[in-house]
Amino acid sequence: DADVTQTPRNRITKTGKRIMLECSQTKGHDRMYWYRQDPGLGLRLIYYSFDVKDINKGEISDGYSVSRQAQAKFSLSLESAIPNQTALYFCATSDPLLNGGGYTFGSGTRLTVV
Amino acid sequence: GDSVTQMEGPVTLSEEAFLTINCTYTATGYPSLFWYVQYPGEGLQLLLKATKADDKGSNKGFEATYRKETTSFHLEKGSVQVSDSAVYFCALSEMDSSYKLIFGSGTRLLVRP
Repeated sequence: DADVTQTPRNRITKTGKRIMLECSQTKGHDRMYWYRQDPGLGLRLIYYSFDVKDINKGEISDGYSVSRQAQAKFSLSLESAIPNQTALYFCATSDPLLNGGGYTFGSGTRLTVV
Repeated sequence: GDSVTQMEGPVTLSEEAFLTINCTYTATGYPSLFWYVQYPGEGLQLLLKATKADDKGSNKGFEATYRKETTSFHLEKGSVQVSDSAVYFCALSEMDSSYKLIFGSGTRLLVRP
């Protein structure tokens, strides 16, 4: 099994629908992150969490919410999806002992909002 | 705020050619610098990193040197292979307790046989 698992891998949804992207990890890391990837823009941080009680907004959190259900699970929700949220979404974990170099990424969720 | 700028792609090379992908950064303090690689259909993988000025990161034949004077971290490889075809991201780690990564826009490399 992968260290960081994202579900679903692909999703098409309609404008206005609520959708949840899930992420689970077996690395045992406390830190988890959600990024979105858009062509030509690289990856941008949506939310990050240091533990189940510590949730922080990233640079593009508007329109998104997260839930840290357990150390191993970190879900991203789009409350009312809109077409410009069409993107590739990545979950990642990190090991602070490796000074940022310990990021492990999931394989991504490709979301299309029509 | 902190930022990373890298050359636009795609970069198309023949097998065994020399590769350079330019990366410059803007940051307060002295961040750690990274190169990540994304193969088709996969997530990002750490390729190499450098944590202080003049450090050279290396892995799989790729190298990059942390140049504080030019705020650069250019990626090089002496002889590319078809299997190196991927998207390469330069990134920095912010110097606070968050260790958030700030990414460049990515450079697609296509190596032809």
